[in-house]
Amino acid sequence: AQSVTQLDSQVPVFEEAPVELRCNYSSSVSVYLFWYVQYPNQGLQLLLKYLSGSTLVKGINGFEAEFNKSQTSFHLRKPSVHISDTAEYFCAVRNRTYSGGGADGLTFGKGTHLIIQP
Amino acid sequence: DTGVSQNPRHKITKRGQNVTFRCDPISEHNRLYWYRQTLGQGPEFLTYFQNEAQLEKSRLLSDRFSAERPKGSFSTLEIQRTEQGDSAMYLCASSPLSHSIGETQYFGPGTRLLVL
Repeated sequence: AQSVTQLDSQVPVFEEAPVELRCNYSSSVSVYLFWYVQYPNQGLQLLLKYLSGSTLVKGINGFEAEFNKSQTSFHLRKPSVHISDTAEYFCAVRNRTYSGGGADGLTFGKGTHLIIQP
Repeated sequence: DTGVSQNPRHKITKRGQNVTFRCDPISEHNRLYWYRQTLGQGPEFLTYFQNEAQLEKSRLLSDRFSAERPKGSFSTLEIQRTEQGDSAMYLCASSPLSHSIGETQYFGPGTRLLVL
């Protein structure tokens, strides 16, 4: 079984300030890691993903995330946020191999609402 | 627009009625997924297809739920005898067939269901 924990349900940040959204996961098998963003009234859009290789992954809109295997974390960061970054952010994992039992889809965290204050 | 499309975008129904949602994936995407998202939660995996074959079903998918992808293109999700607990956003996603199952899933805008 897998689980994803996003400890912060809301993160308020001033415009142009840096931000970090935390994600920790639990899994008995190796996983792929993803961050998705959901803007109001829109579908989920992939920000970035970690499959293998360098543990620092760069995504769209200036976001990056670092995979830390020992801490089972995949925190999302941006050095300077903009009003347009206001959205819900979801961390997700997926097994590296097909294992059945309902584990072949993405397992999402509950999301973090990023609120950008002017 | 060549993204994933879902219809209808909104559905209001009375408890006990049947509802059907449709998902049109990105052209040539072999894999199609259904998720459910309730307020304040992340999406939860329901089921997925590879072409027309339904390969996996979550324990969340009760007997009242059925999904089909008859020709390996669009998919339908039917809920029979709806209950108030079925109220949620139903999301569809598609991805190409790839050696890597880390392939990106592209999500549609969702169908929001309200059961009165």
